[in-house]
Amino acid sequence: GESVGLHLPTLSVQEGDNSIINCAYSNSASDYFIWYKQESGKGPQFIIDIRSNMDKRQGQRVTVLLNKTVKHLSLQIAATQPGDSAVYFCAEGGKAAGNKLTFGGGTRVLVKP
Amino acid sequence: DSGVTQTPKHLITATGQRVTLRCSPRSGDLSVYWYQQSLDQGLQFLIQYYNGEERAKGNILERFSAQQFPDLHSELNLSSLELGDSALYFCASSVGDGPQLFYGYTFGSGTRLTVV
Repeated sequence: GESVGLHLPTLSVQEGDNSIINCAYSNSASDYFIWYKQESGKGPQFIIDIRSNMDKRQGQRVTVLLNKTVKHLSLQIAATQPGDSAVYFCAEGGKAAGNKLTFGGGTRVLVKP
Repeated sequence: DSGVTQTPKHLITATGQRVTLRCSPRSGDLSVYWYQQSLDQGLQFLIQYYNGEERAKGNILERFSAQQFPDLHSELNLSSLELGDSALYFCASSVGDGPQLFYGYTFGSGTRLTVV
């Protein structure tokens, strides 16, 4: 699965505010969704995942929402901190895709002090 | 430490040369994926191997090739290098499409290739 090589959209957020990153996915048969965080010069790191039998899943300061009707995935970060500044990628996949992931293009989050 | 090991971390080489990037997957993972990431770009899928066999190909140039060995480590070979090949190259691993529950990919920390 590959993502489109476009210039990354940027979300600027004030420190302490909540962030919402949105992602539209394409395959209605996808049953697994995941968010990755990539800091500059590092590899993507797992943040949170959700399977298609759920609408919402919460982690520490992060929540993923899945709307299968409109094929939309979102990541909410509560009380955004400077360490949250990074590029965030969503990905879809699962059994229907042979357990392969297709990545979104990524969103850059910049946290302003 | 994600459990996926990539070497070397940095590589500087001249145009026209050939390099080999190495990846050891997380213990228990059978699938290896290679991605290229240019500056401020997304992840470009290159190729996937599962248990030693090629499974899927993305936008991989003919100058690039890969293989997965019996011990499941993988190598990505880049030849006749051009300036535009300068990028971060990531390896990721997963359980593949076997019977285990799928939990996405685990990425390595990448190899930064600079072609001068």
